Amino acid sequence: NAGVMQNPRHLVRRRGQEARLRCSPVKGHSHVYWYRQLPEEGLKFMVYLQKENIIDESGMPKERFSAEFPKEGPSILRIQQVVRGDSAAYFCASSRGQRGEEPQHFGSGTQLSVL
Amino acid sequence: RKEVEQDPGPFNVPEGATVAFNCTYSNSASQSFFWYRQDCRKEPKLLMSVYSSGNEDGRFTAQLNRASQYISLLIRDSKLSDSATYLCVVNDSGFQKLVFGTGTRLLVSP
Repeated sequence: NAGVMQNPRHLVRRRGQEARLRCSPVKGHSHVYWYRQLPEEGLKFMVYLQKENIIDESGMPKERFSAEFPKEGPSILRIQQVVRGDSAAYFCASSRGQRGEEPQHFGSGTQLSVL
Repeated sequence: RKEVEQDPGPFNVPEGATVAFNCTYSNSASQSFFWYRQDCRKEPKLLMSVYSSGNEDGRFTAQLNRASQYISLLIRDSKLSDSATYLCVVNDSGFQKLVFGTGTRLLVSP
């Protein structure tokens, strides 16, 4: 019973390139969340998606960042024209339901390094 | 004021010691509360949910005080493997939007 799968584990990009981070939730989970952890900081909520819908994107930067969770396939977090400040660990989590008390299960993260 | 505040530590304790962490949250409407642990910036792993009545899981006990808006975690009989960063996490809405504290680092030494 695989947990949340994220790939790649490490991603190196030069300034101005695009970064695509993938997340496959736990089987049977239809709710996906993305968080970002900057060095020496706590995790910050970015976006909450259900299949084909963005439910809450209040934590997403207004420009260059987008997320999707298509009907088929993994959730994708896309960062266009990356800058050095985007260097961080990006964690994906999933849950079975949307009730607040249901725990979220996290993937091992993608470490993005922007040169 | 941060939404979720924790003492960053580190807490250095010997094996077998009892250690307690506290956490305060600012949003009185917060609905769900959790403790996660994170090892060396790997993925956070759920340690336990926190209920108003308090709950215990082996050596770990969590308490919630809604009136004072704080959450506590007690670890008894510390093990070397308990060394990690403990994250206080609050769900600020009825839906799944977790707010993380920056974590309290625990170091258990032989």
